[in-house]
Amino acid sequence: QLHLVQSGPEVKNPGSSVKVSCKASGNTFSDYIITWVRQAPGQGLEWMAGIVPIFDTTKYAQKFQDRVTLTADKSTATVYLDLRSLRSDDTAFYFCASGPRRWVFGSTTLPPADSWGQGTMVTVSS
Amino acid sequence: EIVLTQSPHTLSLSPGETATLSCRASQSLTSSFLAWYQQKPGQAPSLLIFAASTRATGIPDRFSGSGSGTGFSLTISRLEPEDFAVYYCQQYDTLPLTFGGGTKVEIK
Repeated sequence: QLHLVQSGPEVKNPGSSVKVSCKASGNTFSDYIITWVRQAPGQGLEWMAGIVPIFDTTKYAQKFQDRVTLTADKSTATVYLDLRSLRSDDTAFYFCASGPRRWVFGSTTLPPADSWGQGTMVTVSS
Repeated sequence: EIVLTQSPHTLSLSPGETATLSCRASQSLTSSFLAWYQQKPGQAPSLLIFAASTRATGIPDRFSGSGSGTGFSLTISRLEPEDFAVYYCQQYDTLPLTFGGGTKVEIK
């Protein structure tokens, strides 16, 4: 398993952008896939995107395709979530999570997450 | 996308009882790529089960998963006080990954 530590809470104006980081440690970074899941206050879980750092390939939920970019810095084992054109309904906890590549080896999907970051609260308000 | 429907919405049980949670998929999960997570208030979710029936590392054997195709279930035997939480199923058979709406297991 990886140990994931996310950046701190953010308060943003509507229309602006936010960048949330997720630093991994504790195991071989290249053996894992990082996904991002968000949870609005009192609501359920919503998958947003995933990245395979070893290949720099990304997968995005269609809902976020035009507003989200994931990048990975392999030298620091850090993944970044960039969310643009923020709206009030983007107010949520944003979690990074990791799962072993071997769990979905040979398929085009992403693995479930056996390790999660602590979450980053992003508040969008004017 | 695959829609997951969890039932019941809330389950009221006493410690020591058995909880049975259901997760139904809108289309068949051909690889049985279904996971279950537990989430406690103020915490990130934690993985319990993957591949429908495989317990994640460190998960006690009172948690068991079963099912295939479109019907899956999570059984929690001999409920402990720390088991009262919200449980989510997730399919990773097909992108986009999707979650069910959750089942809250509360103390009766």
